[in-house]
Amino acid sequence: QKEVEQNSGPLSVPEGAIASLNCTYSDRGSQSFFWYRQYSGKSPELIMSIYSNGDKEDGRFTAQLNKASQYVSLLIRDSQPSDSATYLCAVKKGGGSYIPTFGRGTSLIVHP
Amino acid sequence: ETGVTQSPTHLIKTRGQQVTLRCSSQSGHNTVSWYQQALGQGPQFIFQYYREEENGRGNFPPRFSGLQFPNYSSELNVNALELDDSALYLCASSPLGTQGSNYGYTFGSGTRLTVV
Repeated sequence: QKEVEQNSGPLSVPEGAIASLNCTYSDRGSQSFFWYRQYSGKSPELIMSIYSNGDKEDGRFTAQLNKASQYVSLLIRDSQPSDSATYLCAVKKGGGSYIPTFGRGTSLIVHP
Repeated sequence: ETGVTQSPTHLIKTRGQQVTLRCSSQSGHNTVSWYQQALGQGPQFIFQYYREEENGRGNFPPRFSGLQFPNYSSELNVNALELDDSALYLCASSPLGTQGSNYGYTFGSGTRLTVV
């Protein structure tokens, strides 16, 4: 089992819809969770971080964390074509580790 | 406030050669991490430097080595290049290297290395 798993996609949604991206992780002691956006040919950009169970909202983005089920998700409301990118989930373990492990990313395509 | 800068942006090397990639961390960030990202894959952790010391290492052979300088800039050196080393090399900085840090990374634009 991989440490951080994401469906590679592509996930295709129409403009204006809600895009839902999911990530599961294997280490139950993981403490910090991050979502990065990576446009084709570019480097990753941090868009959300979450540490506690529940939802965290920032503009059109909502991160959801469920530690009991070991998953973290990212919702993008009112999706725009400019949101088309690969979304990387990164997880920092607990127990003194401070180096995040990345998933392979989910490709999102928002079509007009 | 300057971001993370990497050089060069692109590089073509021959198998067996050596390469040095450079990274300047974001102002106020004292921790630098290096990642390798193959096409279609997520970034793979190579190593991290904090206060000029290697602070963690991923599953990469010893021919991958690095340095951090007093100004927190960093170098990644790869010896005896192999074809599979062709990838995007990402440098990322963060403000703290201590345990329990909840800070995310700021990434540089990356160096695209092609080994032929």
